[in-house]
Amino acid sequence: AQTVTQSQPEMSVQEAETVTLSCTYDTSESDYYLFWYKQPPSRQMILVIRQEAYKQQNATENRFSVNFQKAAKSFSLKISDSQLGDAAMYFCAYRSEEAGGTSYGKLTFGQGTILTVHP
Amino acid sequence: DTEVTQTPKHLVMGMTNKKSLKCEQHMGHRAMYWYKQKAKKPPELMFVYSYEKLSINESVPSRFSPECPNSSLLNLHLHALQPEDSALYLCASSLPEGVAYNEQFFGPGTRLTVL
Repeated sequence: AQTVTQSQPEMSVQEAETVTLSCTYDTSESDYYLFWYKQPPSRQMILVIRQEAYKQQNATENRFSVNFQKAAKSFSLKISDSQLGDAAMYFCAYRSEEAGGTSYGKLTFGQGTILTVHP
Repeated sequence: DTEVTQTPKHLVMGMTNKKSLKCEQHMGHRAMYWYKQKAKKPPELMFVYSYEKLSINESVPSRFSPECPNSSLLNLHLHALQPEDSALYLCASSLPEGVAYNEQFFGPGTRLTVL
């Protein structure tokens, strides 16, 4: 079974600065997706960014980018120019794309990192 | 329409009540999911429907009964719940497995309190 580990229960950052959230995962599969989801205090889970395992290029979405190290099984999220609205719980998630496997299509979440943004 | 809606937003029920949670999407997604989430914890998968058929049941107690009447609707029927079932119940939808970019879109959730 796959596992996802977020080793930072809480992080904080000053507005306009950069912060990096860590995520590692354990899998024996070669075909999978990785995601970062954001859940603000309103509790709506929102997709931040997605990375396909077969792509070597790191995904980028505006101020959000990832550092995907497949061999190291690491998938960190960098938030640049942090804004007050970035304050939320961030979940790293893994999804198997190996057809026929028992975990096919299921999301495995890490325990989450609470990000606080200071003005 | 790119959203998943859930009703009600809040629900308080006694242990002998029967209630239902409703989820709706109009994005043409054919996979729908129920998750349970406790405070400051990740969502836990409960059920998955694919093409209106139950494809995954994560050993959920029978007091939770899912139903998918059509491709846009997903219900969760609740009966004889326990106080420990109090949580945020999230619905999500996605394109079916095997389709590229089939990330899950989540609804805002129903906050359930069982007295």
